[in-house]
Amino acid sequence: GAVVSQHPSRVICKSGTSVKIECRSLDFQATTMFWYRQFPKQSLMLMATSNEGSKATYEQGVEKDKFLINHASLTLSTLTVTSAHPEDSSFYICSARGAGGVTDTQYFGPGTRLTVL
Amino acid sequence: KQEVTQIPAALSVPEGENLVLNCSFTDSAIYNLQWFRQDPGKGLTSLLLIQSSQREQTSGRLNASLDKSSGRSTLYIAASQPGDSATYLCAVGGRYALNFGKGTSLLVTP
Repeated sequence: GAVVSQHPSRVICKSGTSVKIECRSLDFQATTMFWYRQFPKQSLMLMATSNEGSKATYEQGVEKDKFLINHASLTLSTLTVTSAHPEDSSFYICSARGAGGVTDTQYFGPGTRLTVL
Repeated sequence: KQEVTQIPAALSVPEGENLVLNCSFTDSAIYNLQWFRQDPGKGLTSLLLIQSSQREQTSGRLNASLDKSSGRSTLYIAASQPGDSATYLCAVGGRYALNFGKGTSLLVTP
């Protein structure tokens, strides 16, 4: 299947700093990319959906000014957690979907473990 | 809002057993349903994708069924192995996004 990478895999930062997470589709063009957050023993919760070249669509309760998403190319999306706080500590997972639309498979990255001290 | 429930939350079986994981959802207007595997601290691996027009999909020892009208899907694992130990997530595909259940944590003991 298709491969999606994330970088970094793990990051520890101080409260108040900003952290950027990259999500790349390595062998296909990702028309749409998704960002999820997963707290321990919880389900994946969708944060936002981004289409290449467009502004991201954020889910209710997700602050767009805090979680900046850029999807500048068909193979790269970035999530920047601005002014991170300890409650932002979580497992962030991206996924990518090709041009097949809603019936197409989403391929998931390996995740990024963010710890804010 | 789509609600996805997975039962049981945790399951422990001896190696070699056949087992069934259950997933139910509240809104039958779905595009597809996917089963994923997640190892501790890792991302998701897609196991099976069932489109809304399909009834089941098979891959190796795995078989997933879908009954849209009753809002249910099952994942059948035949002849379980210790390497099958992981969390299995059910995700229902709507128009815009996947809605995930909390998963079933499976432990297969040698």
